[in-house]
Amino acid sequence: NAGVTQTPKFQVLKTGQSMTLQCAQDMNHNSMYWYRQDPGMGLRLIYYSASEGTTDKGEVPNGYNVSRLNKREFSLRLESAAPSQTSVYFCASSEALMGQGAYNSPLHFGNGTRLTVT
Amino acid sequence: GNSVTQMEGPVTLSEEAFLTINCTYTATGYPSLFWYVQYPGEGLQLLLKATKADDKGSNKGFEATYRKETTSFHLEKGSVQVSDSAVYFCALRGSSNTGKLIFGQGTTLQVKP
Repeated sequence: NAGVTQTPKFQVLKTGQSMTLQCAQDMNHNSMYWYRQDPGMGLRLIYYSASEGTTDKGEVPNGYNVSRLNKREFSLRLESAAPSQTSVYFCASSEALMGQGAYNSPLHFGNGTRLTVT
Repeated sequence: GNSVTQMEGPVTLSEEAFLTINCTYTATGYPSLFWYVQYPGEGLQLLLKATKADDKGSNKGFEATYRKETTSFHLEKGSVQVSDSAVYFCALRGSSNTGKLIFGQGTTLQVKP
């Protein structure tokens, strides 16, 4: 019963390098999300995908791109990493985003990717 | 816009002490409210939720009551254990913002034996 799986768990990048964070869920959820967690700031939404084939910007999308590859997978790409992107990144999924179903649809989180950009 | 404010941590308690973590919110309409817990090295897990005013969410000895008059959703537990040491996040899902969760900044709880 894997839930939400993120890879890699740790990554160190140099400024300007690129990388893709992978996320997959096996719960047949419609909606998926990428958050970053920084000390004292809680979780901030980077991008989300309400359903397969759609993606939208969250609070802090600059410097990131996403791809909803299929219903299971939602990747986050950093094209040119910057030290300000040093953070812990969490992928999450839920049954629904919009409508009545969303009210009682909790998020299920992966264990995070700790990214350091030097 | 919608927002969530939590008490600053860390909160340090002895085992079997009473816990309160304050959470207040600002939102239009009738949001749903959640508490998530994050154990060291792990992602967040849903702890409890309440979807309308005066609802009480409860799980694992933790409780929180949705108080619309004070726009609060304080987390309480009567007797904490060392295993409750974690970071606790209050969150809301608004009724009119396409259902995205908005999190507070998190409160670290340390329970000492």
